[in-house]
Amino acid sequence: GESVGLHLPTLSVQEGDNSIINCAYSNSASDYFIWYKQESGKGPQFIIDIRSNMDKRQGQRVTVLLNKTVKHLSLQIAATQPGDSAVYFCAEIPGTYKYIFGTGTRLKVLA
Amino acid sequence: ETGVTQTPRHLVMGMTNKKSLKCEQHLGHNAMYWYKQSAKKPLELMFVYSLEERVENNSVPSRFSPECPNSSHLFLHLHTLQPEDSALYLCASSRTGGDQPQHFGDGTRLSIL
Repeated sequence: GESVGLHLPTLSVQEGDNSIINCAYSNSASDYFIWYKQESGKGPQFIIDIRSNMDKRQGQRVTVLLNKTVKHLSLQIAATQPGDSAVYFCAEIPGTYKYIFGTGTRLKVLA
Repeated sequence: ETGVTQTPRHLVMGMTNKKSLKCEQHLGHNAMYWYKQSAKKPLELMFVYSLEERVENNSVPSRFSPECPNSSHLFLHLHTLQPEDSALYLCASSRTGGDQPQHFGDGTRLSIL
């Protein structure tokens, strides 16, 4: 079946540096993608989304890049802060109400 | 405050018990979802309701029974669960249409003895 995977299960970055979290998706029919952040003891929190007619979208300190040729999605966090420490998930949506999540990458911010 | 409230936050039950999980959203959304989150596994979509009708049921065992009485409330009724059902159960809501960002509650941590 389809799956969404992450290249690195844990990513450690120095405070103030930029973070890049990667995600590979498998369903070429997916036309909508979402990044979520999940802190300990909480549910996933929406960060940013992108549709397949775009290859880049920026938010506040975050940028999502989409490469449909190689089915790759990335989340860039600028000037990483301690509050960014969490697990980050990507999700691909290949059809109505069909949300497929990856296993997540844990981001650790080092002081 | 996410706008999606789940109760209880923690639940311990025996395999023969019957309990219900509750979810309430205050975002004006018309679609609601139940997910199961187990350690080291991706989020598993269990059920989807759109405009109070079930639109997705991803091969979930019948010991899980959802109920959506209105667009703001969603329940998950549990009976004769198995130890492997221990997990975090997350509720989410979104606007209808499918390609919309979901807003999640903080989940119910369920432990089956």
